[in-house]
Amino acid sequence: EDQVTQSPEALRLQEGESSSLNCSYTVSGLRGLFWYRQDPGKGPEFLFTLYSAGEEKEKERLKATLTKKESFLHITAPKPEDSATYLCAVQAFGNEKLTFGTGTRLTIIP
Amino acid sequence: DAGVIQSPRHEVTEMGQEVTLRCKPISGHNSLFWYRQTMMRGLELLIYFNNNVPIDDSGMPEDRFSAKMPNASFSTLKIQPSEPRDSAVYFCASSSPQGGANTGELFFGEGSRLTVL
Repeated sequence: EDQVTQSPEALRLQEGESSSLNCSYTVSGLRGLFWYRQDPGKGPEFLFTLYSAGEEKEKERLKATLTKKESFLHITAPKPEDSATYLCAVQAFGNEKLTFGTGTRLTIIP
Repeated sequence: DAGVIQSPRHEVTEMGQEVTLRCKPISGHNSLFWYRQTMMRGLELLIYFNNNVPIDDSGMPEDRFSAKMPNASFSTLKIQPSEPRDSAVYFCASSSPQGGANTGELFFGEGSRLTVL
């Protein structure tokens, strides 16, 4: 069974204080690893797809990286509007469904 | 584009009552997913459809849950009878032929928050 574990559960940072979120996974044949952002009262919103170890994707202050066992979401000089829950998900070959972790709730303090 | 539309946004009901949640996917999307989100278990896939056909319903908790997709623009998730442990936010998501299976990009609705007393 595919499993995704995210850490920490919650993270509070001062504005401008860089950090990383972790996503560890086990999957039978990784087709892709995905990062989503979820704001309170909203559905998750797609951010990135990573397909192979060593791959990196960037979007504004966010950079996602992938190894064979885990993925990191690096946040550089965050702003209050980056506050959200960040979800990691995996997809196995031959299956369209995504298996999600429980997320990291990120709070950026002005 | 209006995005994925779910109704109702909030539902409060009593144990034993029937609950029906509705979803209209994005036009042109051929895959539809029902997820349930709780604090303890996060987002769990209940069932997904491809071209209106149920592909994987292994996440449906028990016979009290059923889902249908009579056409490409409408799906329902029904709980009968409802129980307090069914309280959660239920999300519907859709993906395009080029999306879900390829890039993992699902488009989520805003969810239906269900409270069973």
